[in-house]
Amino acid sequence: EVQLVESGGGLVKPGGSLRLSCAASKFAFSRYTMNWVRQAPGKGLEWVSSISNVNNYIYYKDSVKGRFSISRDNANSSLFLQMHSLRAEDTAVYYCAGQPDGDDAFEMWGQGTMVTVSS
Amino acid sequence: SYELTQPPSVSVSPGQTATITCSGQKLGQRYTSWYQLKPGQSPVLVIYRDTERPSGIPERFSGSNSGNTATLTISGTQTVDEGDFYCLAWDSSTAWVFGGGTRVTVL
Repeated sequence: EVQLVESGGGLVKPGGSLRLSCAASKFAFSRYTMNWVRQAPGKGLEWVSSISNVNNYIYYKDSVKGRFSISRDNANSSLFLQMHSLRAEDTAVYYCAGQPDGDDAFEMWGQGTMVTVSS
Repeated sequence: SYELTQPPSVSVSPGQTATITCSGQKLGQRYTSWYQLKPGQSPVLVIYRDTERPSGIPERFSGSNSGNTATLTISGTQTVDEGDFYCLAWDSSTAWVFGGGTRVTVL
C-alpha cells in the first residue's frame, strides 16, 4: 500500500526551529511533485510549499517565505520541511501530499504531524 | 492574491443531493480538485481535473467547473459522506489555493 509517513513535529518556542520529514514508500517518489499542507486547530486546509520532481521548482506560501525551506531526497524517497523563526500561527497539523507528475491534484496524503509553537 | 470561496456549511437529508460550490475568478479556466476531510483522518481526493473520480471513490461523487464556479455534487448522500470538503486550484501568482472548506451535514 502506498504510504507517506510524516515525523518531526513537536512543541517549540516562538522563534525556534523544527525539521519535518516525510518518508514515502511503495510508489515512484521521484515522479511526484511533493507538497506540504497544514491545518491549524479549528481552521481549514492551507497549502504551505511545493517541490517539483525534476529541476526542483520550489514554491512557498507568502507567509512562510524566508522562514521555511522545502527539500527532497529522491534516492531515499524522502521529503523535508525546515522551519525557522516559528510563530504561534504556524501551529498546525502538517501533512505531506503527493502530486503525480503533470497532474493537478494531491493524490495521496500522509497522516500528519502536529507542530505546536508556544512558550 | 487568488482566492476560492466556499459556503461554510451544507445540510442534506439522507438520499438527497448535496451541492457544494467553489467560486474564484476564471476558475473554469483552471483545473479544480476536491478533498474530503473527516475528524482524525487525512484528506482524501474525491474529484480531480474538475470531473474525474479516483479509483475507489463512489460514483455518487461528481464534479463540474464552468465560468467562475466549480461544483461538487454528492447524489444519494449517505451519512458516511459527512465531513469537510475543500476545493483546490492552481494560480500562477499565488501557487496552490484551497477554498475555506464546506462542512456537509447529513440530517
